[in-house]
This record gives sequence, C-alpha cells and structure tokens, in this order.
Amino acid sequence: DGGITQSPKYLFRKEGQNVTLSCEQNLNHDAMYWYRQDPGQGLRLIYYSQIVNDFQKGDIAEGYSVSREKKESFPLTVTSAQKNPTAFYLCASIPRGANVLTFGAGSRLTVL
Amino acid sequence: AQTVTQSQPEMSVQEAETVTLSCTYDTSENNYYLFWYKQPPSRQMILVIRQEAYKQQNATENRFSVNFQKAAKSFSLKISDSQLGDTAMYFCAFMDNNAGNMLTFGGGTRLMVKP
Repeated sequence: DGGITQSPKYLFRKEGQNVTLSCEQNLNHDAMYWYRQDPGQGLRLIYYSQIVNDFQKGDIAEGYSVSREKKESFPLTVTSAQKNPTAFYLCASIPRGANVLTFGAGSRLTVL
Repeated sequence: AQTVTQSQPEMSVQEAETVTLSCTYDTSENNYYLFWYKQPPSRQMILVIRQEAYKQQNATENRFSVNFQKAAKSFSLKISDSQLGDTAMYFCAFMDNNAGNMLTFGGGTRLMVKP
C-alpha cells in the first residue's frame, strides 16, 4: 500500500543529543513537509522541500535541519540547539499540482 | 503571512445533534484552499472537507458541510447527526496556491460527542 512511513513512533533522548526522525513515502510525491505539534495546539511548519536537493525553512526552523537526497525521503534532525524539542512531529507530502496533503502517523519525541 | 483563528478551544454536543465549529482566516490572496482536518486520539490527520476559494458553492461531504463566507474570511464546519466517532480535535487550515502548497493551521477545537 502507498503511504508515508514515519519512524520511530516514540523516541526518548537525553537533553543535548541530536536525534533524527525518518520520513519515507512511496507515493512518488514531489513535495514533502515537516510539522511540529505541541499539546493542545495546531501544527507549525518546520521545513519543506519541493524537489530533491532543495528545501526551505518554515515558521520554526531554528534548531532543526533536513536533507532531501532522494525523492522518497525527507529526514528531520532535531539538534541540541532546539530549546524545547519535546513534541509530536508530523511528516506530509503532496504531488505537484495537487492541493491535498497526505500525512504520516507521526513521531513522538520526548527529551528527558 | 496568513493566519488562521479558531476561537472555540473546546466544544461538546449530544449524540445525533448538530454542532458548528468556527474558523476565520486572514489573507490578501484571492486564490486559495481551505480545509478541515480531524485528529482523533490516534493523532492521525484525516481530511474532513475541502473548499476552493473561487467556488461559491459550499462544500458538503455526507454529514459534514461548510459555510464559506469569502468576504468575511469565515469558514465554519457543521457536523450533522453527530456520532461518538466524531470526538476528536478539529483543525481549520489554509493553503495558498502560490506558496509551495504549505498548510497554515488554526489552533484547533476539541470536540466531545456525548452519548
């Protein structure tokens, strides 16, 4: 079945450690996105990529980094510079010319 | 930059009754899309309904319908015959066709359907 796979689903890390969240899609979608969700709040855009080897900052990019070496993959690294990394992270994708995003199931990151 | 506001943090409704969730947005664009997403306890984002700004007719999907008032920049969601499975967070979202298809989300409304 086609879809977006995010891994791991739950992740615990110590403060000061970098951590990478995986997002893989087999939908042949062109654009991919990372959103952050805090408890009881809406989603905020971290980074997005419309084509391979290119990406743009969203509203809250500080403390995060991404890469887009392959069309199907858009990993997000939460660096030690991110002041409050504990959150729920959602990856999404969309084909060119479309207007409905497909979302992954999310990754819950807890920094101890 | 676009903003989306949901003024009702929490709402409740009795099973089988109708409830309306409010959403307002601010944009200078003329060509855009509006969405309502549902996020149940599983946290999966599920598209409920979509409205294209150039269409005057309000979108409808089974028990879900919208009241789109473009001049007022208002986009409310009506849920008819509420079911227990409708209990979830509901997010209003805006997409500018000319800005990388990014979604801008409101803060959400937590809906509880009571038996």
